[in-house]
Order: sequence, then C-alpha cells, then structure tokens
Amino acid sequence: QVQLVQSGSELKKPGASVKVSCKASGYTFNKYAMNWVRQAPGQGPEWLGWINTNTGNPTYAQGFTGRFVFSLDTSVSTAYLQINSLKAEDTAVYYCARERTPGAAEFDPWGQGTLVTVSS
Amino acid sequence: QSALTQPASVSGSPGQSITISCTGSSSDVGSYNRVSWYQQHPDKAPKVMIYDVTNRPSGVSNRFSGSKSGNTASLTISGLQAEDEADYYCSSYTSSDTWVFGGGTKLTVL
Repeated sequence: QVQLVQSGSELKKPGASVKVSCKASGYTFNKYAMNWVRQAPGQGPEWLGWINTNTGNPTYAQGFTGRFVFSLDTSVSTAYLQINSLKAEDTAVYYCARERTPGAAEFDPWGQGTLVTVSS
Repeated sequence: QSALTQPASVSGSPGQSITISCTGSSSDVGSYNRVSWYQQHPDKAPKVMIYDVTNRPSGVSNRFSGSKSGNTASLTISGLQAEDEADYYCSSYTSSDTWVFGGGTKLTVL
C-alpha cells in the first residue's frame, strides 16, 4: 500500500539544524509531488511548500525561505526537510504529504509526523 | 496568506447533522474549486475527507459532504457517530500558487 514513513522525534537546541526524512513506498516516487506541512501544538496545519520529485525543484511558502531546505534522494524514494538555525517557535510536528493524484490540491497520504522540539 | 477562518468548536448529538464553515477570500476559496477537508484524531496525521469542494475519496462515508458559496466552504456531517469526534481543517489552493489551511474546528459528539 502507499505509505510515507518519517524519521523519529528530535530534540534540538536553538541555533542547531535538523533533517527530517520521509520514505515513500507503494508507488512510483517521481510521479507525485511531495509537500511539507507543520503543525505547532494546538494549532492548525501550516503549509511549508512542496518539491517536484521529478526535477527536484523546491517551492517554499512565504516565510519559509532561507532556513528551510527541501531535498530528495530518489534512489531510496526519500524526501528530506532540513531546518537550519532552529528557533523555539519551530517546535512543531512536521509532516510530509503527497498529492493524492498528480496535480491534485489535496494531500493523501501523510506521513505519521515528526515532532521537532527546540529548547535550550 | 492568512489562514482560513473556521469556528473553534461545534457539537452535536449522535444521529444529528452538523455543518462546519470555512471562510476565505476571493484569492482562495472564492476563486477555486480546490477546497479540501481533513479529519484529525488526537496524535494522528490528518486524513482527507472531501476534495475539490464536493468529492469524497474512496472509503470515506457518504455521511460527509461538502459545498461552497462565494468565499465560504462548508463541511456537513450527517448521522453523527461517536467516531466522528475529531478536529476538522479546511484547506484551499490560492492565487499565489500556494496552499492555506484553516485554524481548525473541534467537533464534540455529545
């Protein structure tokens, strides 16, 4: 079945970096765009952007350029989110989410989420 | 891009119907039929329940339905069941070629 499996929880200090992985299975990886979404505690989801899994071209939402980096390793069907210069306000659950069908506006499936905690 | 506006909470008794609204603008909900609704249970990832305003993915109960009028989209759940208790989020494609989510609505089944 189509599945996205993310890496485990992370505890980081302010200023550090973190890299979250999202391994896809059950479908052809480069046929579907991958999105990244975060959800701070008690808040709604926030779209961070997406990466074209065919070309590797990333698109970042406003406010998420510079410190946030999307990348791929197509040989292992894995997408990555790296966040640099972490701040306390980056504490959230980070999800990868595939477009349900090529060109679709809805996301399905989602990874199980990766909790990133930034605290000194 | 501002978040879409949803009521913080709604409630209903088993068997009743409830409707959750999602208000955006002419830059998102009002201009595109690309509104989705997600259900999220505690400590779980969101699950798409409605896409393109009115469509249900395979496997989603026909008790869930969607509609749109102007800048406001709505999710209706009929025949409420205990397992429907969850947080619900709307999402829309925008004129900036981005996606925006709502702040979420907590559904309580009394």
